[in-house]
Amino acid sequence: AQKVTQAQTEISVVEKEDVTLDCVYETRDTTYYLFWYKQPPSGELVFLIRRNSFDEQNEISGRYSWNFQKSTSSFNFTITASQVVDSAVYFCALSEAGRGRRALTFGSGTRLQVQP
Amino acid sequence: GAGVSQSPRYKVAKRGQDVALRCDPISGHVSLFWYQQALGQGPEFLTYFQNEAQLDKSGLPSDRFFAERPEGSVSTLKIQRTQQEDSAVYLCASSPQQGPSYEQYFGPGTRLTVT
Repeated sequence: AQKVTQAQTEISVVEKEDVTLDCVYETRDTTYYLFWYKQPPSGELVFLIRRNSFDEQNEISGRYSWNFQKSTSSFNFTITASQVVDSAVYFCALSEAGRGRRALTFGSGTRLQVQP
Repeated sequence: GAGVSQSPRYKVAKRGQDVALRCDPISGHVSLFWYQQALGQGPEFLTYFQNEAQLDKSGLPSDRFFAERPEGSVSTLKIQRTQQEDSAVYLCASSPQQGPSYEQYFGPGTRLTVT
């Protein structure tokens, strides 16, 4: 069965620090997709990035970067020079291509607090 | 453009009451999902529609939960004889296609409190 683990429950940093959010996943499928979502205090989940299992290239988007490593089943998310507006709960999620299942399996989330 | 909308945003129900939660997906989106999010947890899958067909209801916790999407657009999640453990945020999401690779766009959720 699929599973996503976010071991860090809460992280607190001071503005301008770099921070990495960890995500470890389990799946038996060879084709799968990994996602990161942000949930600000308003509550609405905001899509950040998608990766497929065949593409291990790291990706950078502004202050955000993602490190996907199949060998360790990890898909970590780094925020460089954090800002107060980055404060939110971040979720890693997995979807599998097989068996017709389309649901996302979410981790329990990491709450990031960025102090000014 | 308009995103996913849900109504009501907040619902308080007495134990034993029936409730109906509405989701308006993004226009033209084929796939629609319902998730339940308990306090401090990640969303958990309830059910999935492709157009009007309910293709996966494996996450519905009991037969008190029922969902429909009769015309392939608006969806309603109904909970009969609510229990305290049903208190949670119910999230609706839609996706433009049916494949697993497409991101899901989430609504703001309905916070249900059962007293």
